[in-house]
Amino acid sequence: GAVVSQHPSWVICKSGTSVKIECRSLDFQATTMFWYRQFPKQSLMLMATSNEGSKATYEQGVEKDKFLINHASLTLSTLTVTSAHPEDSSFYICSAPTGQGQETQYFGPGTRLLVL
Amino acid sequence: EDQVTQSPEALRLQEGESSSLNCSYTVSGLRGLFWYRQDPGKGPEFLFTLYSAGEEKEKERLKATLTKKESFLHITAPKPEDSATYLCAVRGSNYQLIWGAGTKLIIKP
Repeated sequence: GAVVSQHPSWVICKSGTSVKIECRSLDFQATTMFWYRQFPKQSLMLMATSNEGSKATYEQGVEKDKFLINHASLTLSTLTVTSAHPEDSSFYICSAPTGQGQETQYFGPGTRLLVL
Repeated sequence: EDQVTQSPEALRLQEGESSSLNCSYTVSGLRGLFWYRQDPGKGPEFLFTLYSAGEEKEKERLKATLTKKESFLHITAPKPEDSATYLCAVRGSNYQLIWGAGTKLIIKP
């Protein structure tokens, strides 16, 4: 199957700092990538759709100025959590579609963010 | 409104005890139903995509089936390493992906 990587796998930062998370498609090109957030014992919550060459599309209730997304190339999308606060602590996962009709999403391993 | 409901929330089985997980859905114009496995602290791992009623797919001890209203993930003679949370998602004609809450499967040796 297709491989998606994320970096870093975990990060601890102080409140008020910014954190950048990278998502890469390793063996395929992705014009679209998705960013999810997952709280403990809950399912995935779509935050935004990252589009190569254009602005990201954010889901209702997600602050675009807080969660900056840049789709720099056909294999790289980044999520920057700006001025992070403890309530931003969560598990962030990216995915990219590929395969028949681009219907199936392949997920990265996730990034655990802890804001102190 | 598009909706996905998974049941049960949690399932404990003895090693070798076969069972099924359910994913009931309501969607306009199904474009695909997806099963994923998620281990704690990791991203979901793709298992199957089903596109139309009557379709079945198998992988090792897992078999996924699809009707017009629901999908089953059958697990045959499970092993402890099959323990995980199994997620179901559907995509409708609006291209949105709707996720179920998942079923936590625990296989005891």
